[in-house]
Amino acid sequence: NAGVTQTPKFQVLKTGQSMTLQCAQDMNHEYMSWYRQDPGMGLRLIHYSVGAGITDQGEVPNGYNVSRSTTEDFPLRLLSAAPSQTSVYFCASSRGTGRRTYEQYFGPGTRLTVT
Amino acid sequence: AQSVTQLDSQVPVFEEAPVELRCNYSSSVSVYLFWYVQYPNQGLQLLLKYLSGSTLVESINGFEAEFNKSQTSFHLRKPSVHISDTAEYFCAVTKNDYKLSFGAGTTVTVRA
Repeated sequence: NAGVTQTPKFQVLKTGQSMTLQCAQDMNHEYMSWYRQDPGMGLRLIHYSVGAGITDQGEVPNGYNVSRSTTEDFPLRLLSAAPSQTSVYFCASSRGTGRRTYEQYFGPGTRLTVT
Repeated sequence: AQSVTQLDSQVPVFEEAPVELRCNYSSSVSVYLFWYVQYPNQGLQLLLKYLSGSTLVESINGFEAEFNKSQTSFHLRKPSVHISDTAEYFCAVTKNDYKLSFGAGTTVTVRA
């Protein structure tokens, strides 16, 4: 298993540009989440999904969209990039129903800089 | 809603010395507790977790954490650290498994 994969690893955007951060998992996990990591603030939840076709907002959703058309993929879209969105973005997945471990598996991250 | 406080942002420590990283949480409901570790330029890895049962939980690399319900704490300890333990450590809580609340992190720097 590849686990949770994210692309790209690094990205530089200009203010106002849009882009999509990709996330995929091959563990057949029901739950997937997006977090951003900023110095001194830990990780904060942006959006999450409890299954295909079901998404909801987390703590800091403004400026981001998500969709979940398949169990495997959970892309994060930046609609109009702003310097405040400069951050490291992590995707995570967890098993969901069935035998619960309550453990989230994290991808390697995408480092985004908005100029 | 849950909140997590990690009381130390930076912890310098000498090799083979003990280390303790403090974590306190606030929640009106029962929660599940985790410590994650992030090595430089990497993602997060689960170090250990408390779901139920024994309040003392251990990891395979010598860390342990104790859940204290009355003090709402989940402090992480290691009796003797190695250079390879240099990393950032995050305490996290959840009442389900898709909405983790993280502390701000503690950077541990181990010196020879």
